[in-house]
Amino acid sequence: QLQLQESGPGLVKPSETLSLTCTVSGGSISINTYYWGWIRQPPGKGLEWIGTIYYSGSTYYNPSLKSRIAISVDTSKNQFSLKLTSVTAADTAVYYCARLGGGYVDWFDPWGQGTLVTVSS
Amino acid sequence: EIVMTQFPVTLSVSPGERATLSCRASQSVYSNLAWYQQKPGQAPRLLIYGASSRATGIPARFSGSGSGTEFTLTISSLQSEDFAVYYCQQYNNWPSFGGGTKVEIK
Repeated sequence: QLQLQESGPGLVKPSETLSLTCTVSGGSISINTYYWGWIRQPPGKGLEWIGTIYYSGSTYYNPSLKSRIAISVDTSKNQFSLKLTSVTAADTAVYYCARLGGGYVDWFDPWGQGTLVTVSS
Repeated sequence: EIVMTQFPVTLSVSPGERATLSCRASQSVYSNLAWYQQKPGQAPRLLIYGASSRATGIPARFSGSGSGTEFTLTISSLQSEDFAVYYCQQYNNWPSFGGGTKVEIK
C-alpha cells in the first residue's frame, strides 16, 4: 500500500525558506506512470495546489507561487522535496504531498497526513 | 486560472437523508473533475474522479455527475461517518479546488 509522509520544520521565520520532504513508501517514485505533487491548506481554509514533479525532474508550478518555489526529486531515497522562499505569515498552512492520478495534471490520491508549518518570528 | 465555486457552503442533513452538493467551474473542464472528503485533522480522501468514477473502496452511496461547468456529488443516505467537508477539484488546467461544502448534522 502506497504511503506518503511529509517531514520538515514546523516553524519558519518570516523571509526565510520553508523546506519540506515527502518520503514515499510501498512503491517506487520512479514508476513512469505517476507524477507527485504538493498542496497546502491554510488553517480553516481551502486547498491550494503548489506544484508537481515527475521522477525525471520535470516540474510544473502554480503560477501564483512560481517565483518562490522549487520542487526536486531524489529517486535514490524515494523522496521529493519542496522549497518555498521568502515566506510570510500567509504561507502558514498544512502542507500535503500526494501522488497524481496518472498525468501531470490530474486528481490526487493518496495523500500524506500533512504537516503544519507556521511562519512566525 | 479556472475558479471553482461550491454551494451551499454549509448543508444541514439528517442521518439517512440524501445530500446533494454542487460545484461550478468558471469555464468548461469537461469531465476532469474530482471530489474529496476531508474530516477534521485528516488529509483529503479521493471519492470521485472523472466526474463520476468512484475511487477504490468508496461506498456506492457516493455518486458524481455532471460535465462542462456544472457538477454534483450525491450522498444517497448519509451515514454518521459522512459528516465532513467536501471539496471539488478540476484538473483540465492547472489544478484548482473549490472552497468546500461542510455537511453537518441537522
